[in-house]
Amino acid sequence: QVQLVESGGGLVEPGGSLRLSCVASGFAFNDFYMGWIRQGPGKILEWISFISPGSTNKNYAESLQGRFATSRDNAKNSLFLQMSRLRAEDTAVYYCARLDCINDSCPTYDDAFDIWGQGTTVTVSS
Amino acid sequence: SYELTQPSSVSVSPGQTATITCSGDILGKKFTSWYQQKPGQSPVLVVYQDTKRPSGLPERFSGSKSGNTATLTIRGTQAMDEADYFCQAWDRSAAIFGGGTILTVI
Repeated sequence: QVQLVESGGGLVEPGGSLRLSCVASGFAFNDFYMGWIRQGPGKILEWISFISPGSTNKNYAESLQGRFATSRDNAKNSLFLQMSRLRAEDTAVYYCARLDCINDSCPTYDDAFDIWGQGTTVTVSS
Repeated sequence: SYELTQPSSVSVSPGQTATITCSGDILGKKFTSWYQQKPGQSPVLVVYQDTKRPSGLPERFSGSKSGNTATLTIRGTQAMDEADYFCQAWDRSAAIFGGGTILTVI
């Protein structure tokens, strides 16, 4: 069964840091681009980042201003999101998702997020 | 940066056809994907590359595009289709999402 399971969310004070994890199962994790997407209280989906299978290609939403970093450990089928200098507006449900692209031309920038995790909630508040 | 515009809500009677649009200049050049999100659940891909349907998805879901507007069509809408629907495309190397449409089946 193809599955993504996030963890690591919680309550953190403004200015603090948090590391989210996502464990994949049921597919060849080391073949796929992976991404992070968040959904704030207003239900808007906001793309955060993607990372290539070998971690050589990464990209981030400009709005994050360099505060977030994505990494992966293929040996552990795991994806990570390190978040720092957190703000109240970072409060959201954070999803990891698989990009449906599995060849040398990836990403095509026409790819869809075909598998999503259940999400982990991050609350930034004092 | 580009934006994707969706109607905030659409209502449909059971058994009728629901259409949800997504408009944006980028759609004239890029494929559109659509996601369904039911309350308390994570998004699920329902259409990719404008018109393709993931395996296992009911045939009543279909996608189309004309110019800068993509459309998600649900034929024979059922109560279980009541959900939020989001469109998505890529603006160069960044994924962008529409604001979402609440589909109400009444």
